[in-house]
Amino acid sequence: DVKVTQSSRYLVKRTGEKVFLECVQDMDHENMFWYRQDPGLGLRLIYFSYDVKMKEKGDIPEGYSVSREKKERFSLILESASTNQTSMYLCASSSVGGASTQYFGPGTRLLVL
Amino acid sequence: AQSVTQPDIHITVSEGASLELRCNYSYGATPYLFWYVQSPGQGLQLLLKYFSGDTLVQGIKGFEAEFKRSQSSFNLRKPSVHWSDAAEYFCAVGAPDDYKLSFGAGTTVTVRA
Repeated sequence: DVKVTQSSRYLVKRTGEKVFLECVQDMDHENMFWYRQDPGLGLRLIYFSYDVKMKEKGDIPEGYSVSREKKERFSLILESASTNQTSMYLCASSSVGGASTQYFGPGTRLLVL
Repeated sequence: AQSVTQPDIHITVSEGASLELRCNYSYGATPYLFWYVQSPGQGLQLLLKYFSGDTLVQGIKGFEAEFKRSQSSFNLRKPSVHWSDAAEYFCAVGAPDDYKLSFGAGTTVTVRA
């Protein structure tokens, strides 16, 4: 069974803190994605990676960075968390090929105080 | 770039009644189309997808969707809803030459007894 795991289900951080969200997939997928989910806005792509050490900006990359040192792991970094980054963060992975099915993790709900 | 509109923010349906969720997409060629479901507190699970061929697609949990090119639509249907179908549903569109998907804002389904 395919599996995407995220390091935390819930996180509470203070404004200005550096925040790391970790995602691991066990399907040997080339592509990995970080989305942000907010009510009424659906899922918005923050960053994606199509190979180790490769990344591309999505629709809302401002305030975020990513790291992919190993194929199975994709990290989202909030360099200096702000209250407007309070949201649900979803990680996904897919195999190579256009618009392949994306498999999602359970999400991390982040609250920035 | 492709985009998706889900016109209904919230739908309430009685258990046992039929359900139809609307999805309209914008894309110049034949798109790849997906429906995902998100149960409360969970990640997204793929219900079904359309890449080519038969325009009526069967999915899991008794759902089906029909691709209508003339109407740029990919509506999701279920003949008889169960209480466990209460969730948020997302339509997504992708292109054959692109890794990314564009998601709609989602439709929340409430099932009443």
